[in-house]
Amino acid sequence: DGGITQSPKYLFRKEGQNVTLSCEQNLNHDAMYWYRQDPGQGLRLIYYSQIVNDFQKGDIAEGYSVSREKKESFPLTVTSAQKNPTAFYLCASMGPRALLIYFGEGSWLTVV
Amino acid sequence: GQNIDQPTEMTATEGAIVQINCTYQTSGFNGLFWYQQHAGEAPTFLSYNVLDGLEEKGRFSSFLSRSKGYSYLLLKELQMKDSASYLCAVSSDTGRRALTFGSGTRLQVQP
Repeated sequence: DGGITQSPKYLFRKEGQNVTLSCEQNLNHDAMYWYRQDPGQGLRLIYYSQIVNDFQKGDIAEGYSVSREKKESFPLTVTSAQKNPTAFYLCASMGPRALLIYFGEGSWLTVV
Repeated sequence: GQNIDQPTEMTATEGAIVQINCTYQTSGFNGLFWYQQHAGEAPTFLSYNVLDGLEEKGRFSSFLSRSKGYSYLLLKELQMKDSASYLCAVSSDTGRRALTFGSGTRLQVQP
């Protein structure tokens, strides 16, 4: 089945530690996105990539990094510079028409 | 930039009709989306409007007025399972091709 796979579903980070969230899609989409969602809030854009080997900062990129070495993969690293990383993280991809937007199941990150 | 406003919370009764409003300000408007999101899950696509008017899809309808920067989502024959957050999102064709989301409206359906 085509779709977006995020892993892990739950992740715990210690203070000062970097962690990486995986996002893989087999939909052949060029555009991929990372959003952050805090409790009771909407989605805020962290980073996005319109094409392989290119990515742009979104609205809240500080403390995060990404790479786009393959069309299928768009991993997000939450660095120690992100002081309040506890949130729900959603990866998404978009097809050639803006109607085709797919979300992964999300990853919960908690600082311990 | 973009600005999207929607009410934080709403309560309605099972079997009734509820309207969730969304106002937006954006340049290069390219479409408005409504998503449903249950707690702890990913958003699910409900509807998309790019032209003025009403789009109907079963119990759900969405309306758009581009001149007023206004949309609403109408839910009919409410069911308990409709208790969720409803997110309004706007697409813009100026630069980045990404959706900007409102903060969401948490709907509680009561018996």
